[in-house]
Amino acid sequence: NAGVTQTPKFRVLKTGQSMTLLCAQDMNHEYMYWYRQDPGMGLRLIHYSVGEGTTAKGEVPDGYNVSRLKKQNFLLGLESAAPSQTSVYFCASSYSTSGGSVKSSYNEQFFGPGTRLTVL
Amino acid sequence: GNSVTQMEGPVTLSEEAFLTINCTYTATGYPSLFWYVQYPGEGLQLLLKATKADDKGSNKGFEATYRKETTSFHLEKGSVQVSDSAVYFCALSGSARQLTFGSGTQLTVLP
Repeated sequence: NAGVTQTPKFRVLKTGQSMTLLCAQDMNHEYMYWYRQDPGMGLRLIHYSVGEGTTAKGEVPDGYNVSRLKKQNFLLGLESAAPSQTSVYFCASSYSTSGGSVKSSYNEQFFGPGTRLTVL
Repeated sequence: GNSVTQMEGPVTLSEEAFLTINCTYTATGYPSLFWYVQYPGEGLQLLLKATKADDKGSNKGFEATYRKETTSFHLEKGSVQVSDSAVYFCALSGSARQLTFGSGTQLTVLP
């Protein structure tokens, strides 16, 4: 199993350009997440998905869009890149907890290796 | 909302020294608590977790105890190795099944 993979690993964009980051997981996980990591700020959640065809906003969603057309893939799009989007982007996935309990929140997230994006 | 406050780094220790990285949290309800580790150039890996008050998570010689009364989840290791050099993140998972991370602590262990 490859786990969680991300493409590309590195990318440099000019302001205003668009791009799509691809995340793929082969663990049959229901949940998938996109985070950005900035120095001194830890990881912040951009968008997430609790299943195929569903997406939801996280803490910092502005300037990003996502799609989950297939269960194994979660795409992050930047329509018009800005220098403030220079960051390292991490994708993660997790299984859904059993029993349907809202309190069942301890689902380990498995992370990809990251994509380093620079916007000039 | 939920938040995690983590001891600021960087932390530099000699091999076999004792490690403590402090983590406190603010959350509604009963969150689960985690420590993740990030080795250079890699994604995050789960190091240990605790799901309820007084639980102790442990892995690879690292330990952390869920202290509800002090809202803390401090990471400890009795004898660090050079291979433990990494960035450590404290995190909590609330009822929305999302992780809230601390800012991370860079640990460097010198031989």
